[in-house]
Amino acid sequence: KNEVEQSPQNLTAQEGEFITINCSYSVGISALHWLQQHPGGGIVSLFMLSSGKKKHGRLIATINIQEKHSSLHITASHPRDSAVYICAVPRPGGGADGLTFGKGTHLIIQP
Amino acid sequence: DAMVIQNPRYQVTQFGKPVTLSCSQTLNHNVMYWYQQKSSQAPKLLFHYYDKDFNNEADTPDNFQSRRPNTSFCFLDIRSPGLGDAAMYLCATSRDRTNQPQHFGDGTRLSIL
Repeated sequence: KNEVEQSPQNLTAQEGEFITINCSYSVGISALHWLQQHPGGGIVSLFMLSSGKKKHGRLIATINIQEKHSSLHITASHPRDSAVYICAVPRPGGGADGLTFGKGTHLIIQP
Repeated sequence: DAMVIQNPRYQVTQFGKPVTLSCSQTLNHNVMYWYQQKSSQAPKLLFHYYDKDFNNEADTPDNFQSRRPNTSFCFLDIRSPGLGDAAMYLCATSRDRTNQPQHFGDGTRLSIL
Protein backbone atom coordinates (compact mmCIF):
# COMPACT_ATOMS: atom_id res chain seq x y z
CA LYS A 1 0.00 0.00 0.00
CA ASN A 2 1.31 3.45 -0.88
CA GLU A 3 0.97 6.06 1.83
CA VAL A 4 0.38 9.53 0.42
CA GLU A 5 0.97 12.49 2.72
CA GLN A 6 0.12 16.07 1.88
CA SER A 7 1.04 19.27 3.64
CA PRO A 8 -0.30 21.58 4.72
CA GLN A 9 -3.81 20.28 5.33
CA ASN A 10 -5.21 23.80 5.36
CA LEU A 11 -3.77 26.97 3.87
CA THR A 12 -5.16 30.48 3.86
CA ALA A 13 -3.30 33.14 1.91
CA GLN A 14 -3.81 36.58 0.45
CA GLU A 15 -4.46 37.18 -3.21
CA GLY A 16 -1.20 37.40 -5.13
CA GLU A 17 0.83 35.18 -2.84
CA PHE A 18 2.96 32.31 -4.11
CA ILE A 19 1.50 29.01 -2.92
CA THR A 20 3.28 25.70 -2.38
CA ILE A 21 1.60 22.40 -1.57
CA ASN A 22 3.70 19.35 -0.86
CA CYS A 23 3.13 15.65 -1.39
CA SER A 24 5.24 12.67 -0.35
CA TYR A 25 4.61 9.00 -0.94
CA SER A 26 6.12 5.81 0.39
CA VAL A 27 6.38 3.45 -2.59
CA GLY A 28 8.10 4.18 -5.89
CA ILE A 29 5.76 5.14 -8.70
CA SER A 30 5.93 5.87 -12.39
CA ALA A 31 3.64 8.92 -12.34
CA LEU A 32 1.85 11.21 -9.92
CA HIS A 33 -1.41 13.11 -10.32
CA TRP A 34 -2.41 16.52 -9.02
CA LEU A 35 -6.16 17.09 -8.89
CA GLN A 36 -8.39 20.00 -7.95
CA GLN A 37 -11.74 19.62 -6.24
CA HIS A 38 -14.11 22.55 -5.86
CA PRO A 39 -16.98 22.72 -3.35
CA GLY A 40 -19.79 20.67 -4.84
CA GLY A 41 -17.54 17.75 -5.60
CA GLY A 42 -16.28 17.66 -9.18
CA ILE A 43 -12.62 16.75 -9.60
CA VAL A 44 -10.43 18.17 -12.32
CA SER A 45 -7.13 16.63 -13.31
CA LEU A 46 -4.42 19.31 -13.27
CA PHE A 47 -1.26 17.37 -13.97
CA MET A 48 0.10 13.90 -14.40
CA LEU A 49 3.87 13.84 -14.23
CA SER A 50 6.60 11.29 -13.99
CA SER A 51 9.71 13.49 -13.87
CA GLY A 52 10.89 17.05 -13.72
CA LYS A 53 8.43 19.86 -13.99
CA LYS A 54 5.20 20.76 -15.78
CA LYS A 55 3.60 24.18 -16.13
CA HIS A 56 0.08 25.16 -17.06
CA GLY A 57 -0.79 28.81 -16.74
CA ARG A 58 -0.09 29.85 -13.16
CA LEU A 59 0.26 26.28 -11.95
CA ILE A 60 3.59 24.47 -11.75
CA ALA A 61 4.10 20.89 -10.63
CA THR A 62 7.45 19.32 -9.85
CA ILE A 63 8.43 15.82 -8.89
CA ASN A 64 11.56 14.18 -7.50
CA ILE A 65 11.18 10.46 -8.06
CA GLN A 66 14.27 9.56 -6.00
CA GLU A 67 13.03 11.50 -2.98
CA LYS A 68 9.40 10.40 -3.51
CA HIS A 69 8.22 13.98 -3.31
CA SER A 70 6.18 16.35 -5.44
CA SER A 71 5.13 19.97 -5.10
CA LEU A 72 2.34 22.01 -6.62
CA HIS A 73 2.94 25.74 -6.90
CA ILE A 74 0.48 28.49 -7.72
CA THR A 75 1.90 31.83 -8.78
CA ALA A 76 -0.05 35.09 -8.38
CA SER A 77 -2.83 33.30 -6.48
CA HIS A 78 -6.41 34.42 -6.98
CA PRO A 79 -9.61 33.78 -5.00
CA ARG A 80 -10.84 31.49 -7.79
CA ASP A 81 -7.92 29.18 -6.93
CA SER A 82 -9.68 28.38 -3.66
CA ALA A 83 -10.31 24.64 -3.72
CA VAL A 84 -9.03 21.35 -2.35
CA TYR A 85 -5.85 20.18 -4.07
CA ILE A 86 -5.26 16.46 -4.03
CA CYS A 87 -2.16 14.46 -4.78
CA ALA A 88 -2.74 10.90 -6.03
CA VAL A 89 -0.56 7.99 -7.10
CA PRO A 90 -1.32 4.77 -8.96
CA ARG A 91 -2.04 1.85 -6.71
CA PRO A 92 0.71 -0.76 -6.58
CA GLY A 93 -1.21 -3.18 -8.80
CA GLY A 94 -0.67 -1.06 -11.86
CA GLY A 95 -2.12 1.89 -13.70
CA ALA A 96 -5.55 0.40 -14.22
CA ASP A 97 -6.09 -0.30 -10.56
CA GLY A 98 -7.13 3.22 -9.71
CA LEU A 99 -5.48 5.83 -7.57
CA THR A 100 -4.53 6.23 -3.95
CA PHE A 101 -5.35 9.78 -2.88
CA GLY A 102 -3.85 12.06 -0.30
CA LYS A 103 -6.25 13.73 2.11
CA GLY A 104 -6.02 16.99 0.23
CA THR A 105 -4.97 20.53 0.97
CA HIS A 106 -7.82 22.95 1.55
CA LEU A 107 -6.69 26.26 0.04
CA ILE A 108 -8.45 29.56 0.62
CA ILE A 109 -7.25 32.68 -1.18
CA GLN A 110 -8.60 35.85 0.34
CA PRO A 111 -9.07 39.00 -1.76
CA ASP B 1 -17.43 18.45 -25.59
CA ALA B 2 -16.20 15.01 -24.65
CA MET B 3 -16.75 14.45 -20.97
CA VAL B 4 -17.82 12.22 -18.11
CA ILE B 5 -21.41 12.80 -17.04
CA GLN B 6 -22.93 11.59 -13.82
CA ASN B 7 -26.63 11.50 -13.11
CA PRO B 8 -28.22 12.57 -10.95
CA ARG B 9 -26.10 15.24 -9.20
CA TYR B 10 -28.05 14.74 -6.00
CA GLN B 11 -29.89 11.59 -4.98
CA VAL B 12 -31.97 11.07 -1.89
CA THR B 13 -33.14 7.59 -1.00
CA GLN B 14 -34.63 5.84 1.97
CA PHE B 15 -32.76 3.47 4.23
CA GLY B 16 -32.83 0.06 2.55
CA LYS B 17 -34.33 1.24 -0.74
CA PRO B 18 -32.22 0.25 -3.77
CA VAL B 19 -30.67 3.08 -5.72
CA THR B 20 -28.77 3.28 -9.01
CA LEU B 21 -26.25 5.94 -9.96
CA SER B 22 -25.32 6.49 -13.57
CA CYS B 23 -22.13 7.46 -15.38
CA SER B 24 -21.65 8.00 -19.08
CA GLN B 25 -18.61 9.01 -21.09
CA THR B 26 -18.03 10.27 -24.59
CA LEU B 27 -14.25 9.77 -24.41
CA ASN B 28 -14.37 6.13 -25.56
CA HIS B 29 -12.06 5.22 -22.69
CA ASN B 30 -11.42 1.61 -21.82
CA VAL B 31 -11.32 2.00 -18.05
CA MET B 32 -14.12 3.26 -15.82
CA TYR B 33 -13.81 3.68 -12.05
CA TRP B 34 -16.23 4.24 -9.19
CA TYR B 35 -14.93 6.02 -6.09
CA GLN B 36 -16.70 6.75 -2.82
CA GLN B 37 -15.83 9.96 -0.99
CA LYS B 38 -17.19 10.57 2.48
CA SER B 39 -17.18 13.99 4.06
CA SER B 40 -13.66 15.41 4.54
CA GLN B 41 -12.07 12.15 3.39
CA ALA B 42 -10.07 11.12 0.37
CA PRO B 43 -11.88 9.26 -2.42
CA LYS B 44 -11.75 5.49 -2.05
CA LEU B 45 -11.88 3.10 -5.00
CA LEU B 46 -14.88 0.76 -4.96
CA PHE B 47 -14.31 -1.06 -8.26
CA HIS B 48 -13.33 -0.55 -11.84
CA TYR B 49 -13.93 -1.98 -15.29
CA TYR B 50 -11.19 -2.51 -17.80
CA ASP B 51 -13.33 -2.91 -20.90
CA LYS B 52 -15.75 -5.65 -19.79
CA ASP B 53 -13.50 -7.04 -17.05
CA PHE B 54 -14.86 -6.17 -13.63
CA ASN B 55 -12.40 -5.62 -10.75
CA ASN B 56 -13.85 -5.38 -7.28
CA GLU B 57 -11.87 -4.06 -4.33
CA ALA B 58 -11.52 -6.54 -1.49
CA ASP B 59 -13.10 -4.21 1.04
CA THR B 60 -16.03 -3.04 -1.10
CA PRO B 61 -19.23 -4.15 0.63
CA ASP B 62 -21.37 -6.76 -1.14
CA ASN B 63 -24.14 -4.19 -1.03
CA PHE B 64 -22.40 -2.37 -3.89
CA GLN B 65 -22.66 -3.73 -7.42
CA SER B 66 -21.76 -2.35 -10.82
CA ARG B 67 -22.78 -2.87 -14.43
CA ARG B 68 -21.18 -1.76 -17.64
CA PRO B 69 -23.53 -2.64 -20.50
CA ASN B 70 -21.35 -0.92 -23.10
CA THR B 71 -18.25 1.26 -23.40
CA SER B 72 -20.13 4.47 -22.71
CA PHE B 73 -22.16 3.63 -19.63
CA CYS B 74 -21.42 2.36 -16.16
CA PHE B 75 -23.85 2.03 -13.25
CA LEU B 76 -23.40 1.79 -9.52
CA ASP B 77 -26.16 -0.14 -7.75
CA ILE B 78 -26.56 0.00 -4.00
CA ARG B 79 -28.92 -2.81 -3.08
CA SER B 80 -29.84 -1.83 0.46
CA PRO B 81 -28.36 1.55 1.36
CA GLY B 82 -27.46 2.16 4.95
CA LEU B 83 -26.84 5.48 6.68
CA GLY B 84 -23.11 4.88 6.32
CA ASP B 85 -23.40 4.86 2.54
CA ALA B 86 -24.20 8.57 2.41
CA ALA B 87 -21.33 10.03 0.42
CA MET B 88 -20.21 11.59 -2.84
CA TYR B 89 -19.83 8.96 -5.56
CA LEU B 90 -17.34 9.81 -8.26
CA CYS B 91 -17.01 8.18 -11.64
CA ALA B 92 -13.75 8.47 -13.55
CA THR B 93 -12.33 7.16 -16.79
CA SER B 94 -8.91 6.63 -18.25
CA ARG B 95 -7.91 5.71 -21.75
CA ASP B 96 -5.98 2.59 -20.94
CA ARG B 97 -4.09 0.57 -18.36
CA THR B 98 -0.75 2.33 -18.40
CA ASN B 99 -0.40 5.61 -16.60
CA GLN B 100 -3.02 7.90 -18.05
CA PRO B 101 -4.80 10.97 -16.72
CA GLN B 102 -8.11 10.23 -15.08
CA HIS B 103 -11.17 12.21 -16.14
CA PHE B 104 -13.76 12.68 -13.42
CA GLY B 105 -17.45 13.42 -13.50
CA ASP B 106 -19.00 16.02 -11.20
CA GLY B 107 -20.12 13.30 -8.80
CA THR B 108 -23.45 12.23 -7.33
CA ARG B 109 -24.10 13.21 -3.74
CA LEU B 110 -26.17 10.48 -2.10
CA SER B 111 -28.23 11.14 1.00
CA ILE B 112 -29.99 8.43 2.99
CA LEU B 113 -33.14 9.20 4.97
